[in-house]
Amino acid sequence: EVQLVESGGGLVQPGGSLRLSCAGSGFTFSSYAMSWVRQAPGKGLEWVSGISGYSGSTYYADSVKGRFTISRDNSKNTLYLQMNSLRAEDTAVYYCAKGHVTVATASLYFDCWGQGTLVTVSS
Amino acid sequence: QSVLTQPPSVSGAPGQRVTISCTGSSSNIGAHYDVHWYHQLPGTAPKLLIYGNSNRPSGVPDRFSGSKSGTSASLAISGLQAEDEADYYCQSYDSSLSDWVFGGGTKLTVL
Repeated sequence: EVQLVESGGGLVQPGGSLRLSCAGSGFTFSSYAMSWVRQAPGKGLEWVSGISGYSGSTYYADSVKGRFTISRDNSKNTLYLQMNSLRAEDTAVYYCAKGHVTVATASLYFDCWGQGTLVTVSS
Repeated sequence: QSVLTQPPSVSGAPGQRVTISCTGSSSNIGAHYDVHWYHQLPGTAPKLLIYGNSNRPSGVPDRFSGSKSGTSASLAISGLQAEDEADYYCQSYDSSLSDWVFGGGTKLTVL
């Protein structure tokens, strides 16, 4: 069974830093692109960042570019999100999501999600 | 303001059919990028419902169907059941933003 388990969320002051982790199991972790998607309280989903499987190419939403860094350790089947210079608007549940690409059109979608970890940025 | 526009809410009685629209533009849905759908029950993580415009993952009932035309996509739910009450999101890729994007979400209420 495919499983994703996030950890590392919590309360942090504005300007502070936090590192999220996502442990994957039940699939060949290194073969799949992974992403972080967040959901602010009472709001919709927002894609935050993604990383390819083998090459480790990284991608960021403009809202976090230059502040967040995504990385992965395929030997540990773990995805990370280093979040620096946190702002109140970064407050959200952060989900780790496993990417899957359609064969015909190479379109990325998210076929498995973790349970999420809450990040609260407040003084 | 989401790049993909969904109605904030839809409703229907048990057994009825409802549709949820997802309207984009020439830089996402209209640029032939696929549309995918997720649903999210209260207090839980999103779950994949439809991928590649109209494909259902294993385990998703055939009451759920997706379609795409031009710059829009739709999710149809037939034989509405109480457990279908959830938030529904569409997702695609936008070439202008170079980002994967979600719709704002639609809350489905089963009357």
